[in-house]
Amino acid sequence: GQQLNQSPQSMFIQEGEDVSMNCTSSSIFNTWLWYKQDPGEGPVLLIALYKAGELTSNGRLTAQFGITRKDSFLNISASIPSDVGIYFCAGRNQAGTALIFGKGTTLSVSS
Amino acid sequence: GAVVSQHPSRVICKSGTSVKIECRSLDFQATTMFWYRQFPKKSLMLMATSNEGSKATYEQGVEKDKFLINHASLTLSTLTVTSAHPEDSSFYICSARGLIQGANYGYTFGSGTRLTVV
Repeated sequence: GQQLNQSPQSMFIQEGEDVSMNCTSSSIFNTWLWYKQDPGEGPVLLIALYKAGELTSNGRLTAQFGITRKDSFLNISASIPSDVGIYFCAGRNQAGTALIFGKGTTLSVSS
Repeated sequence: GAVVSQHPSRVICKSGTSVKIECRSLDFQATTMFWYRQFPKKSLMLMATSNEGSKATYEQGVEKDKFLINHASLTLSTLTVTSAHPEDSSFYICSARGLIQGANYGYTFGSGTRLTVV
């Protein structure tokens, strides 16, 4: 099925560092969502974006819906060990109701 | 907030048997439910979309006779893996989208089911 291009695939950082990851699509999306998944669990919603240009924060997390509606980024500031996990972007395009997922960014944080 | 309960969390079955996975929306009505499959260290791949009271729409390459989806009520959808084989072993996740108090709530995921076929 269709997937979004998410990068980087993995990141190894020190506690306290900032992190940035992004997703791009060849088609326009009208919803962008960012999820975190822990091992053996379902994805948990972090931030939802519904309008082009929208910039939304959730604690140390900030995400933006790109102006072109074909991209989004997620920033995590001052990372902590519990930020470890896999982060997925997900989008919904104009054609469907289901979410399409990126391939994920695996984040490792060393203290 | 919206909660989706998925059961069982883990199941081991013998080849040739069928397994049913349940997905329930606990505090909202799920007009649409989605079923995903996830392989280790991979992304979530959409298997099918089901609307309450209608037949599910399957993604290309997903066998509808093997993965039976029922969405008979606004709070319950089931996925039955029929005549399971080892290659069906995977992590299956449901997601529900629906209205809560008249507002479009969005997408909530269940906690997943780890299926192992031996």
